[in-house]
Amino acid sequence: DIVMTQSPELLAVSLGERATINCKSSQSILYTSNNKSYLAWYQQKAGQPPKLLIYWASTRESGVPDRFSGSVSGTDFTLTISSLQAADVAVYYCQQYYVTPLTFGGGTKVEIK
Amino acid sequence: EVQLVESGGGLVKPGGSLRLSCATSGFSFSDAWMSWVRQAPGKGLEWVGRIKSQIYYWTKEYAAPVKGRFIISRDDSRSILYLQMNNLKIDDTGIYYCSAGTGRTDLDHWGQGSLVTVSS
Repeated sequence: DIVMTQSPELLAVSLGERATINCKSSQSILYTSNNKSYLAWYQQKAGQPPKLLIYWASTRESGVPDRFSGSVSGTDFTLTISSLQAADVAVYYCQQYYVTPLTFGGGTKVEIK
Repeated sequence: EVQLVESGGGLVKPGGSLRLSCATSGFSFSDAWMSWVRQAPGKGLEWVGRIKSQIYYWTKEYAAPVKGRFIISRDDSRSILYLQMNNLKIDDTGIYYCSAGTGRTDLDHWGQGSLVTVSS
């Protein structure tokens, strides 16, 4: 199984500051035929289901604010919130959909400092 | 508007069975790959399994902890996804979400979840 390792577990950031979440896959999730990394980011607010934010590692889902961005370098993935808003308080998960079993990172809880 | 609504959760004893349903609307259900994902209380997300669409012969895949005990099925005529859970264990306790893959990832859209509690 592909193991997704997320860090940190808890991230406290001041309003308006940058938040950076890291995720590493235990093996490549890059499909060479289309040059896409099969990595998604989800946001889960308290008491709600997860919501898709980013797919193909860096493509923003429709309606997601542009302060959210994703990047990739090999098997290292990053979710960046450029200017943290109160509405961004949530747990964030990375997930690979390259192969089954689909696997998630352990989650990063983002709170306001 | 895409909607997924789970039902059928509840309290069941270890060794018991339960069937969850997920009624959907707002997208082409017959073309979607449908998954179940669960979340134990206070824990992270765990993929349970998925069923592909007809052109992929409705192929089913399961996570190791549930293989042989859970069965995923779908009714494309009614746009409903099912999860039959047998021989339930205490560790199966959690919120069960159905999710639809509609062309971006396997998990583009999510329902609100259904709580399953396995306890004696």
